[in-house]
Amino acid sequence: EAQVTQNPRYLITVTGKKLTVTCSQNMNHEYMSWYRQDPGLGLRQIYYSMNVEVTDKGDVPEGYKVSRKEKRNFPLILESPSPNQTSLYFCASSPGASPYNEQFFGPGTRLTVL
Amino acid sequence: GNSVTQMEGPVTLSEEAFLTINCTYTATGYPSLFWYVQYPGEGLQLLLKATKADDKGSNKGFEATYRKETTSFHLEKGSVQVSDSAVYFCALSAYNFNKFYFGSGTKLNVKP
Repeated sequence: EAQVTQNPRYLITVTGKKLTVTCSQNMNHEYMSWYRQDPGLGLRQIYYSMNVEVTDKGDVPEGYKVSRKEKRNFPLILESPSPNQTSLYFCASSPGASPYNEQFFGPGTRLTVL
Repeated sequence: GNSVTQMEGPVTLSEEAFLTINCTYTATGYPSLFWYVQYPGEGLQLLLKATKADDKGSNKGFEATYRKETTSFHLEKGSVQVSDSAVYFCALSAYNFNKFYFGSGTKLNVKP
């Protein structure tokens, strides 16, 4: 089944404790992206990747890191989480950066930073 | 810059009522426009899209027309069902298609 998977689905952590949220897709998509969803703000793009080893900032990259060493994986790293990073996070993938390509979203990761 | 503005919700309708959710945008160049739907506890799914002015996207009875002159992409459905209850997001992709911008979402509640 074609899908985007994220792990963990739920995470409660404390300020300053490094964490990684994994994202994997099995559709051989070139484009991958991370978003955070907050009430009243919709989805905001954190980082995106056009292909392996090619990443760029979205609108809200501060406090986050990403890497794209393999085509299928695009982990989101929070080196020193803070409470304002408490949010619902979505990973998405797309065949490529084209207006004809829809994005496929993962199920989301709900992160709470205490 | 690029941005999307949606009408605030929640929108509450009775089954078989007509639905309109307003969406307007500001963008550099000629963006593509999308409507995504999010059912409770799930990720977003593409509902419909339009890639150039005057295009009409349609799916599952929903429609939206890309209006360049009014910079709008309003979502409509003639007769909503309880199963349409969800959060709807309007979005655009920037001219180079690398970045996406989403509206704040509109929650739709349909009552039997």
